[in-house]
Amino acid sequence: DSGVTQTPKHLITATGQRVTLRCSPRSGDLSVYWYQQSLDQGLQFLIQYYNGEERAKGNILERFSAQQFPDLHSELNLSSLELGDSALYFCASSVGGAAGEKLFFGSGTQLSVL
Amino acid sequence: AQSVTQLGSHVSVSEGALVLLRCNYSSSVPPYLFWYVQYPNQGLQLLLKYTSAATLVKGINGFEAEFKKSETSFHLTKPSAHMSDAAEYFCAVTGGRALTFGSGTRLQVQP
Repeated sequence: DSGVTQTPKHLITATGQRVTLRCSPRSGDLSVYWYQQSLDQGLQFLIQYYNGEERAKGNILERFSAQQFPDLHSELNLSSLELGDSALYFCASSVGGAAGEKLFFGSGTQLSVL
Repeated sequence: AQSVTQLGSHVSVSEGALVLLRCNYSSSVPPYLFWYVQYPNQGLQLLLKYTSAATLVKGINGFEAEFKKSETSFHLTKPSAHMSDAAEYFCAVTGGRALTFGSGTRLQVQP
């Protein structure tokens, strides 16, 4: 058990809809990362937050947004969903968010867009 | 931008045989390099990390990796494969503050 909790584990929705994925980092970790894993794109970095502030942005679509709350949990919002958004979404956390830190991954949210 | 290339999307070995998973990195400066493992229906977990303290890095579950600057490689090895090693393995490099992952290598272990 990595200590990172993601909910829900599975999500099935329709095109055009909006969903929210939730992540609780390990106790004491200030940085949260979101990754998307799909068969064709592999593991893609989406966004990183550190102590409530956006720290780095990767290949995140404009239809996607995220935030980290004062209690350090994070939410990833996906809107106007398309079939191609079907993927496994991982959250990871680390202590300080510095380069070279070990990331602890949650078990992911499997999103299916029908 | 820093990146890694994993050679071979699938590797199959017999139980007890040597495991060799290949990773080459592209970086203009000495990077942080990682190997992560993903078991079915689970998240990724860190196997080992290179931080320039030593070129041979030992990780969990008997895995190790050697950093070779002249070859820009960071291959993962294990002397003797076990059935429980069947999983997907990802090489990663720090691309700024976030990790950039390779495409992954699925390891099959045959009895």
